[in-house]
Order: sequence, then structure tokens, then C-alpha cells
Amino acid sequence: DQQVKQNSPSLSVQEGRISILNCDYTNSMFDYFLWYKKYPAEGPTFLISISSIKDKNEDGRFTVFLNKSAKHLSLHIVPSQPGDSAVYFCAATLTSGTYKYIFGTGTRLKVLA
Amino acid sequence: GAGVSQTPSNKVTEKGKYVELRCDPISGHTALYWYRQSLGQGPEFLIYFQGTGAADDSGLPNDRFFAVRPEGSVSTLKIQRTERGDSAVYLCASSPQAGVNTEAFFGQGTRLTVV
Repeated sequence: DQQVKQNSPSLSVQEGRISILNCDYTNSMFDYFLWYKKYPAEGPTFLISISSIKDKNEDGRFTVFLNKSAKHLSLHIVPSQPGDSAVYFCAATLTSGTYKYIFGTGTRLKVLA
Repeated sequence: GAGVSQTPSNKVTEKGKYVELRCDPISGHTALYWYRQSLGQGPEFLIYFQGTGAADDSGLPNDRFFAVRPEGSVSTLKIQRTERGDSAVYLCASSPQAGVNTEAFFGQGTRLTVV
């Protein structure tokens, strides 16, 4: 069973507009969430994270929102740039455990110039 | 180098053969993870080392898979009697320690193809 789900396999956005990537999880015990970005032939690179004690974390153009009651998080990128085109993975973990990440299947973002 | 290094970057092997995949974590990182990413999927956890010991190997799919980290730095993932279903990108990640605000840094992966 997929504990972390990214239901949109792909997303296209015009340069300068907002990109919104969504992620749902089923395990209410998860208490730390991360977003990773992956370019072809490279490993995932960390983008932003959020603890379950917060509902928002912002870092420059990137903001992650967490809705614990809905078991939903989203990544907002504004303004979107062509260099943001990549696959974005949502991940969840338990801070009481070994911090192994449970990843979603990814969303491929394409930012059109 | 400053990042996590994995070798080889690509490995093609015949069904039934034995393979070893190597990971050099970032210097000083005590936590090391192996993940496997199949086509169209997200990375799936295989095993976690804290120092030299495997603290969590719950993700290893079967006893053909084994990993070591004898001196607490370099790790080797070993796959015996490879099967075509083992074909995937194997990712290694390290972090200073397993904990909040210590996100894992990933290597570029080893693409394993079993023919």
C-alpha cells in the first residue's frame, strides 16, 4: 500500500506563474515531511521540509503547507522558472524511528518559457 | 569531493551473477541509507546504518540482498544471484545523524541492469 501519494504524475506551468504540487499521506504517525527535486541522471536534492508542529514553512520562492487533519501537504513555487523543471518527490518520516523516508511516486514539473 | 559518491554509475550484469555497489558518504556523516528506485516510482528504503551497524534492514527485499559498512564510512550493497527484477537505480544517502533538520544528501545513484 502506498503510504505517500502524489496523484499528479505531471504538471505544466507558464514561467512566472505559481506551481502547486500536492502530496497525500495515510499514516497519521508521520511527523516530518520533505520535498526533494530530481534532475535526470542525478540524485534527489533536498528542497524544503516541515515538521508536523507547523503548518507552513517558507524558503525563498518555495513554501510548503501542511494540513494534518487532511493528511495533505503541498509545495508552492512562485514565481516558477524554467530551471525548476524537474521531478519533485514528497517524502515522509517518523522522527521517533530511523528517519527512513517514505517517498511518493513523484510529479514531473515542466515550466514553460 | 564534497558530495555522496556512488560507483559504478552504471552496471550491466547477467542474470544469476553477483554484484557489489559502492557508496562513499559525505565525510563525517554517521547515518547512511540505501534506497532503490524503479522506473516510474519513488525511491524505496532498503537499509539504514548508524555508524557501522545496520540499525534497520526492514526494506531489504530478500536474503539475496546484503549491505555492509565495516568502518562506519564506505558502504557496499551486495546482491547475489541477480534477477531481472533487480534492475533499478540504487541510491545511497547520508546525513550527519538521523534527526530533524538533518536532511539526507543523495548520491547520483548506480543504474543496475540485469539481462
